[in-house]
Amino acid sequence: SAVISQKPSRDICQRGTSLTIQCQVDSQVTMMFWYRQQPGQSLTLIATANQGSEATYESGFVIDKFPISRPNLTFSTLTVSNMSPEDSSIYLCSVEDLGTAFFGQGTRLTVV
Amino acid sequence: EDKVVQSPLSLVVHEGDTVTLNCSYEVTNFRSLLWYKQEKKAPTFLFMLTSSGIEKKSGRLSSILDKKELFSILNITATQTGDSAVYLCAVEDDQGGSEKLVFGKGTKLTVNP
Repeated sequence: SAVISQKPSRDICQRGTSLTIQCQVDSQVTMMFWYRQQPGQSLTLIATANQGSEATYESGFVIDKFPISRPNLTFSTLTVSNMSPEDSSIYLCSVEDLGTAFFGQGTRLTVV
Repeated sequence: EDKVVQSPLSLVVHEGDTVTLNCSYEVTNFRSLLWYKQEKKAPTFLFMLTSSGIEKKSGRLSSILDKKELFSILNITATQTGDSAVYLCAVEDDQGGSEKLVFGKGTKLTVNP
């Protein structure tokens, strides 16, 4: 299975600032996925990051708030922009391998 | 709208007990059902189920899918404190060439010594 490295593992940020989360995979993958898990909630897909094209965002998520980069087939970043306390969540990157989704270690973000 | 419902939402048992976690789903084009264990942040893959009635087993954990009744169960026998975690059920929905994972809210299992 793919090995996914995600960083930072956690951060505490001031409201109004931005945080960029990085995700590195040990093999080339076509699509990478970014999820958010708010406290007590299920994982919600933010967007699908495609190499060479713009990310595809799910309903309720917009590029201005969650810009995504995908410069190559092994790396992606998610930025949480102009943060508010409501953005406090776990953010997870994921790739699909053999029909199964595998996840990075997650980033626990607290916005104060 | 796609929906995955897990029950119970939380469960507290003693070591050695057997537990059954439930997952029911409604999706447009079912492709597979996956179970994950989430201890801190990152969900860890447990099982992928695609066919009805075929049990998947790994140690003390087993799972089975019923595509007619649209549900799956995850069984854990002889529970240990290390089984304490949130167990997530996810269903892969084939949406015209792109597959989307829909997650339930999870069952929080606490195993007391």
